[in-house]
Amino acid sequence: GQNIDQPTEMTATEGAIVQINCTYQTSGFNGLFWYQQHAGEAPTFLSYNVLDGLEEKGRFSSFLSRSKGYSYLLLKELQMKDSASYLCAVLDSNYQLIWGAGTKLIIKP
Amino acid sequence: GAVVSQHPSWVICKSGTSVKIECRSLDFQATTMFWYRQFPKQSLMLMATSNEGSKATYEQGVEKDKFLINHASLTLSTLTVTSAHPEDSSFYICSALRLAGELNEQFFGPGTRLTVL
Repeated sequence: GQNIDQPTEMTATEGAIVQINCTYQTSGFNGLFWYQQHAGEAPTFLSYNVLDGLEEKGRFSSFLSRSKGYSYLLLKELQMKDSASYLCAVLDSNYQLIWGAGTKLIIKP
Repeated sequence: GAVVSQHPSWVICKSGTSVKIECRSLDFQATTMFWYRQFPKQSLMLMATSNEGSKATYEQGVEKDKFLINHASLTLSTLTVTSAHPEDSSFYICSALRLAGELNEQFFGPGTRLTVL
């Protein structure tokens, strides 16, 4: 079966750095997405990785290792507004998105 | 980034009525659109994949006769919840896939909150 695993909840301090991991087992791979979702709102796109390595975009970076079926989202200089759920999703060989359950990130002052 | 719109943003209807939700990609053509449902404090659940010009592919457990999907053009997909019941009350979100080589991206609509009385 297809499966995406990510931690249910994480807590971090304002100004710090946090890494949210995502591991996947899917039938085929056409890229991995990270989304941010605030409560009551639709997800917003953060990043897309299809090749191995680190993609940096401001305070957010995303890493992919296809051989390990592993990705992480790195958030630097955390701000209170970063408190949200972070969703990992993989596009499989049929271009179906397989979703993780999301990681709820709590930022404390 | 690209824009995907949904209409309406919220709707309240009586039990037994049908509700149509529109999803539009405003500045790109989307061969593939997705429909999701999200209950409070839960992750997105894919309902169906909508492909322009062909029948939608429904996920297991989703009734295709209840949730009618039409993707008649490259910029519009519609979801009709037929004979809605209170248990259909949820947040319905669509997304459109823009394929561009290594820059494949999926853009979400803002969602439609459906309340069935």
